[in-house]
Amino acid sequence: DIQLTQSPSFLSASVGDRVTITCRASQGIRSYLAWYQQKPGKAPKLLIYAASTLQSGVPSRFSGSGSGTEFILTISSLQPEDFATYYCQQLYTYVTFGGGTKVEIK
Amino acid sequence: QVQLVQSGAEVKKPGASVRVSCKASGYTLTDFYLYWVRQAPGQGLEWMGWINPNSGVTNYAQKFQGRVSMTRDTSISTAYMDLRRLRSDDAAVYYCARGKRESLKTVVTSADYAMDVWGQGTTVTVSS
Repeated sequence: DIQLTQSPSFLSASVGDRVTITCRASQGIRSYLAWYQQKPGKAPKLLIYAASTLQSGVPSRFSGSGSGTEFILTISSLQPEDFATYYCQQLYTYVTFGGGTKVEIK
Repeated sequence: QVQLVQSGAEVKKPGASVRVSCKASGYTLTDFYLYWVRQAPGQGLEWMGWINPNSGVTNYAQKFQGRVSMTRDTSISTAYMDLRRLRSDDAAVYYCARGKRESLKTVVTSADYAMDVWGQGTTVTVSS
């Protein structure tokens, strides 16, 4: 199975900060990677697919990059509504999720 | 408005079975793949499998093979996930999610692989 390792698992940041979250795959997955945001008690929300394509309706402060085994989610200027947990997901071989990164208010 | 509406919370005893339904509206169920994902309390997301609602073909995560079945009733735009022989560690919120991949598409790219519409989740409690 392909494993996804997210780092950090926890991040404390302020409104306006630039935030980056890394996702590393145990083997190459080309660009078959998506990013999701989940708030407590809610379903995940798709942010980025195909590693770098912004899902319709998602603010442009979110961006994704990477290919192969290393991927990055960037929030260019953190907003109050962005405090949540973020998951990467690979769909290259079956489906697996990273362990999540919780972004909290500093 | 495209949405997936799931059935209500369930309480089951160990060894029992549970069925979770997922009704599609605002789009045709058979047009896109459908995934099932679960999340145990305080834990991350776990993929269970997918169904092509057009053909009925399924693909289950190895962990659940033999215990899970994913079906659909196209006449009422509803997909189902049945999980048998429940254990205490099956207690979780179960989600259905629409895939971006169209059911009839044979030439696919990475852009077809993501889950763009999610149900609200169904809490399954397993307790004696």
